[in-house]
Amino acid sequence: DIQMTQSPSTLSASVGDRVTITCRASHYVNNWLAWYQQKPGKAPKLLIDKASNLESGVPSRFSGSGSGTEFTLTISSLQPDDFATYYCQQYNTFSPWTFGQGTKVEIK
Amino acid sequence: QVQLVQSGAEVKKPGASVKVSCLASGYSFTSYYIHWVRQAAGQGLEWMGLINPSAGSITYAQKFQGRVTITRDTSTSTVSLELNTLTSDDTAVYYCARAPVGPPADWGQGTLVTVSS
Repeated sequence: DIQMTQSPSTLSASVGDRVTITCRASHYVNNWLAWYQQKPGKAPKLLIDKASNLESGVPSRFSGSGSGTEFTLTISSLQPDDFATYYCQQYNTFSPWTFGQGTKVEIK
Repeated sequence: QVQLVQSGAEVKKPGASVKVSCLASGYSFTSYYIHWVRQAAGQGLEWMGLINPSAGSITYAQKFQGRVTITRDTSTSTVSLELNTLTSDDTAVYYCARAPVGPPADWGQGTLVTVSS
């Protein structure tokens, strides 16, 4: 299976900060990459698919970029509601899907 | 509205099997893949597999090959996950989720499976 590695594992930031999370795939996944947000006790929420397509209703401060094996999730100005754990997931059609290990965004 | 309603919490002994069901409603059952994802307490998300309810085709994560079975019943719009030879490491919340082709945006409420002697 394709391995997904996120960095950092934990990120401490303040409201208003620009935040970037990186996700690296062990093999080429084209742009078949999604980003999720998860809060404690809740199911994950899909934020971005195809590496950069923002899901309907997701604030525009979230953006995704990358292709191939390197991807980033950026929050342009961190809001109180954004403190959560973020996961990338590759969904290469010809391979089982896999998640990254997660990045927890904490209040600084 | 779209709903994925999962079966209730389970407590199992090591070595036993568990079957978790996911009842879909509010959409065309055969038009969306169903995924299974689990999460142990304080841990990350772990993708287990998916099924195409129309064709019945299934893909499993390598880690679970031989120990997991995903099935569907189109007459009841239900997808089930069965996991065998349980250990304490299988204690987790199990989610079903639906997706057209890409990543799932709609998730069930989760089912807690506890494995304990």
